[in-house]
Amino acid sequence: EAGVVQSPRYKIIEKKQPVAFWCNPISGHNTLYWYRQNLGQGPELLIRYENEEAVDDSQLPKDRFSAERLKGVDSTLKIQPAELGDSAVYLCASSPQGAGNTEAFFGQGTRLTVV
Amino acid sequence: GDSVTQMEGPVTLSEEAFLTINCTYTATGYPSLFWYVQYPGEGLQLLLKATKADDKGSNKGFEATYRKETTSFHLEKGSVQVSDSAVYFCALRRDGNKLVFGAGTILRVKS
Repeated sequence: EAGVVQSPRYKIIEKKQPVAFWCNPISGHNTLYWYRQNLGQGPELLIRYENEEAVDDSQLPKDRFSAERLKGVDSTLKIQPAELGDSAVYLCASSPQGAGNTEAFFGQGTRLTVV
Repeated sequence: GDSVTQMEGPVTLSEEAFLTINCTYTATGYPSLFWYVQYPGEGLQLLLKATKADDKGSNKGFEATYRKETTSFHLEKGSVQVSDSAVYFCALRRDGNKLVFGAGTILRVKS
């Protein structure tokens, strides 16, 4: 079974430019997460979807970040405009709906460098 | 709010040494507890989990016991290998919500 797929793996952009990340969760997983992992730190949640609905976006910097999950499957995370402090690894994860406190499955992440 | 605290690294051990990485948590209710591992250049992988008090999670020689009285979930391995070198993250999840992670502990095993 394929895992969570993210692309691109790496992205280098200049500050003030836009950037987008894509995630394809595990088939059948209704819950999708975007996390940001700064260097030397643990992942922190940006947004959580249940199907198409964003049920927790309290940590998403909405002035520059946006996300969507059309049809409740794939998701994109966008930053516009990017700032130097956005350099981090962006992780996508998924888990089955109604799974209570089970684990989430992570993709390999997109490493963003803003110069 | 919910939080996880891990011992700071890096932890450097010789091969076959005993490993302990401490993890304590703060949460209301009864969270599930997890250890994730991140090998160099790879994504986060679940190492083991425990869903209720006194449960012991185990995998690949690693173990951790859910201790509600001390709000801890310490990771242990009796004999580490060079291939265990990675970053280890303790995490909790409560009521089907988000995973909350600790800062991670780097483990380096020397041959």
